[in-house]
Amino acid sequence: GENVEQHPSTLSVQEGDSAVIKCTYSDSASNYFPWYKQELGKGPQLIIDIRSNVGEKKDQRIAVTLNKTAKHFSLHITETQPEDSAVYFCAAIFPGGTSYGKLTFGQGTILTVHP
Amino acid sequence: NAGVTQTPKFQVLKTGQSMTLQCAQDMNHEYMSWYRQDPGMGLRLIHYSVGAGITDQGEVPNGYNVSRSTTEDFPLRLLSAAPSQTSVYFCASSYSRSRGTGANVLTFGAGSRLTVL
Repeated sequence: GENVEQHPSTLSVQEGDSAVIKCTYSDSASNYFPWYKQELGKGPQLIIDIRSNVGEKKDQRIAVTLNKTAKHFSLHITETQPEDSAVYFCAAIFPGGTSYGKLTFGQGTILTVHP
Repeated sequence: NAGVTQTPKFQVLKTGQSMTLQCAQDMNHEYMSWYRQDPGMGLRLIHYSVGAGITDQGEVPNGYNVSRSTTEDFPLRLLSAAPSQTSVYFCASSYSRSRGTGANVLTFGAGSRLTVL
């Protein structure tokens, strides 16, 4: 079935360090991989996404890499700041029919950035 | 635009009670969905709708009902609440597949925290 595994479940870093969160997915036909950030008391918000025809995408301090052969993708945050502290979710969309727009999420990573 | 609005933000129920979680969006999104968030389990899809009058089940639909009479509203009904339904519930919306890649970008509400005693 459709499955997305996310690691680690918690990540603690010092301000200025880099943080990496990794996800693996089960279906090689998956073609869209977003990352959502959830701040305390709020709903998740899209921060970056990547499609299967691209290996890497950057947006300022965040980047996502995709390895289709190994079926995993990762979120990289450089020069972390305390405001990066949040829960991060990876997701994948499994193509076909009405599945368009129906995301399967990973378990989430609680990122804590210490000043 | 208000985006996706969920009410109530907090609710406590007793086992067996019924209630409806409300969700409304003002972005003219065709696609709407309900997720539940539990510790260590991420976000799991309960029900979704690709347009008014069309609904379908997600990964964990048991114990929940939905209907979509208008484009704007997508209420989630718990007919007989159980402690296992204690969770945080999120409503989300997006454009349909006819809009291209925008269908995959979900806008979430702020969530409704439900406790069933």
